[in-house]
Amino acid sequence: GAGVSQSPSNKVTEKGKDVELRCDPISGHTALYWYRQSLGQGLEFLIYFQGNSAPDKSGLPSDRFSAERTGGSVSTLTIQRTQQEDSAVYLCASSLIRYSGANVLTFGAGSRLTVL
Amino acid sequence: DAKTTQPPSMDCAEGRAANLPCNHSTISGNEYVYWYRQIHSQGPQYIIHGLKNNETNEMASLIITEDRKSSTLILPHATLRDTAVYYCIVTYGQNFVFGPGTRLSVLP
Repeated sequence: GAGVSQSPSNKVTEKGKDVELRCDPISGHTALYWYRQSLGQGLEFLIYFQGNSAPDKSGLPSDRFSAERTGGSVSTLTIQRTQQEDSAVYLCASSLIRYSGANVLTFGAGSRLTVL
Repeated sequence: DAKTTQPPSMDCAEGRAANLPCNHSTISGNEYVYWYRQIHSQGPQYIIHGLKNNETNEMASLIITEDRKSSTLILPHATLRDTAVYYCIVTYGQNFVFGPGTRLSVLP
């Protein structure tokens, strides 16, 4: 598609349930990022994928969070045993890495997660 | 941690130029300056980026000082739709760290 697509746009779940959030990056973009944004807060980096390289997982807040990127395209962010503090908007971005130049991220609209 | 410092908030009158400053005194020679904005409840939107030279596109102008330690994003004729949080990011490659940004309010 023309932009970064995220689904679901809204998810309400009960504490302790697992959730999966999906990101479809722009076709041909080699890099994919996940951020989260709690209410009224800034963007918090979670994880970064670039081609076939090992992902940068340095931002994942706990081992309940994991992400994968299949075939270098679609990515799924999984949160196990959700807690109320996981409530946030989860944002995905993709880019075409230019090692000799700038790297412009295109963001999706986000998935709003509410944990009751 | 973000490598940039921005004022937390600014006001601008509709139709006037909005000048948003950003300090990045520790910028490295190969790091770019990027500006994004986030309108309420939306994902961040790319505005402009630059390395050394001033840049202009259909959205804004970016003025980078000669020593590259600071920059200014200029919205030449601000509209109510420009009300947003504006983020200045300095990086090379893939490491994008978003600070708290500047909340710009365009007033009628």
